[in-house]
Amino acid sequence: DIQMTQSPTSLAASVGESVTITCLASEDIYGSLVWYQQKPGKSPQLLIYGATILEDGIPSRFSGSGSDTQYSLKINSLQPEDFASYYCQNGLSTPYTFGAGTKLELK
Amino acid sequence: QVTLKESGPGMLQPSKTLSLTCSFSGFSLSTSGMVVSWIRQPSGKSLEWLAAIDWDGDKYYNPSLKSRLTVSKDTSNTQVFLKITSVDIADTATYYCARRRTTMGITGGFDYFDYWGQGVMVTVSS
Repeated sequence: DIQMTQSPTSLAASVGESVTITCLASEDIYGSLVWYQQKPGKSPQLLIYGATILEDGIPSRFSGSGSDTQYSLKINSLQPEDFASYYCQNGLSTPYTFGAGTKLELK
Repeated sequence: QVTLKESGPGMLQPSKTLSLTCSFSGFSLSTSGMVVSWIRQPSGKSLEWLAAIDWDGDKYYNPSLKSRLTVSKDTSNTQVFLKITSVDIADTATYYCARRRTTMGITGGFDYFDYWGQGVMVTVSS
C-alpha cells in the first residue's frame, strides 16, 4: 500500500494569513494526489485532484502543487469558513490511502 | 444533481454481520466509468477506503479487510451494498459511500471522490 504522511497534524492561524499543508507519499504517485476539506459532523468535500486541479466551485485561494512523492496544499488569505480538517489521498491505485489529516484551527 | 445516502443498523453486536446500503441518484452505475466506493472514518481519526464496485460489476477491496468484505449492487444500478462479517469494536465508525471519478492527465489517470453521502454512524457494542 502507498503510505501518505501528512504534516502538520494541527495548525493554528489567523484570518487573512496563508498556510501550507504537506503530504508525502511513500512512492511516486505521478501527480495523482487529492485534497479534501472536512468540517465537524460533515462528509469530506473535494478541493483539488490531480495535485493541482481545483474542483468546480472551490475558491481560488486554495491551490495545490507538487510531483512525484511530495505535495502541498496552500490556502491564501484564510477565511473563517476555512477552519476545518484537511486530508490528502493517494488517487493512483487501490487501496486508496489517506493522510492522517491536518486540523486547521483559529489562533 | 448527484446525491448519495447511506443507511445501516446504527448499532450491532460483536461477531455479527454489518449490512450497509448506499442509495444514490443523479447518475447511473451502468454508465461506463462510474464507480461507487465505501470509505469509513472512526471518530476523530482519518479515512479508510474499504471497497468499490464499478459499472461493469467488477469489485475492488482493501486487502487489509478483504476476507470480511462483500460489495454488490442492485440490478437497477441505483443502490450499492456493503457487508462486513465478524464485526468488532474496531469497526465502530462513520461509513460513507462516495462516487469515484477519473480524470486523465499527462502521466495517467487521477482517481478522486467527487460526491459523498452524509455518512451513517455504526457502533459495535455488546
